[in-house]
Amino acid sequence: AQSVTQLDSQVPVFEEAPVELRCNYSSSVSVYLFWYVQYPNQGLQLLLKYLSGSTLVKGINGFEAEFNKSQTSFHLRKPSVHISDTAEYFCAVIPTTDSWGKLQFGAGTQVVVTP
Amino acid sequence: ETGVTQSPTHLIKTRGQQVTLRCSSQSGHNTVSWYQQALGQGPQFIFQYYREEENGRGNFPPRFSGLQFPNYSSELNVNALELDDSALYLCASSLKRFGIEEDGYTFGSGTRLTVV
Repeated sequence: AQSVTQLDSQVPVFEEAPVELRCNYSSSVSVYLFWYVQYPNQGLQLLLKYLSGSTLVKGINGFEAEFNKSQTSFHLRKPSVHISDTAEYFCAVIPTTDSWGKLQFGAGTQVVVTP
Repeated sequence: ETGVTQSPTHLIKTRGQQVTLRCSSQSGHNTVSWYQQALGQGPQFIFQYYREEENGRGNFPPRFSGLQFPNYSSELNVNALELDDSALYLCASSLKRFGIEEDGYTFGSGTRLTVV
């Protein structure tokens, strides 16, 4: 079985400051890793994903994440946030052995950017 | 057609009733998945269809059922509604079967179901 833990339920941050959202996972098999963003009253949008290869993954809107296999983590970072980055962020995994591609999500981290 | 469209956007039902939620996927997307997102939680996988056949199911009772049609539309049906069924229901479609390639899953904006 797998589980995804997002260590912060809410992260307040000032505009133009950096932000890091923490995600840890537990799995007996290797996994694919994803970060999604959900803006108010909208569906989920893929920010970035790690399937294999380089552990540093760059995504849309200036976000990047680093896969750390030994620490089973996939933390998301942005060096300078904008007001428009206010949203809910979800970390998710798909076990490589999953024949359906079922996403398993963490509980989410609410990012609130203030001027 | 681009994007994933879900209808209705909001719905209020009474406990014990039945509800049908609809999703229109992107043309060519043969895989559609449904997720339930309770307030303050991450989405939970309900089931997935590939070319009109269910090929995966999460930990949801049989009163949650679905259909996928040849025109890339799909339905989620919930019978005997319970208060705990109140949630945002998300539909996601994918070009490929497993949804991890290229852009992965495209999510709709969801249907907010309230059971009273």
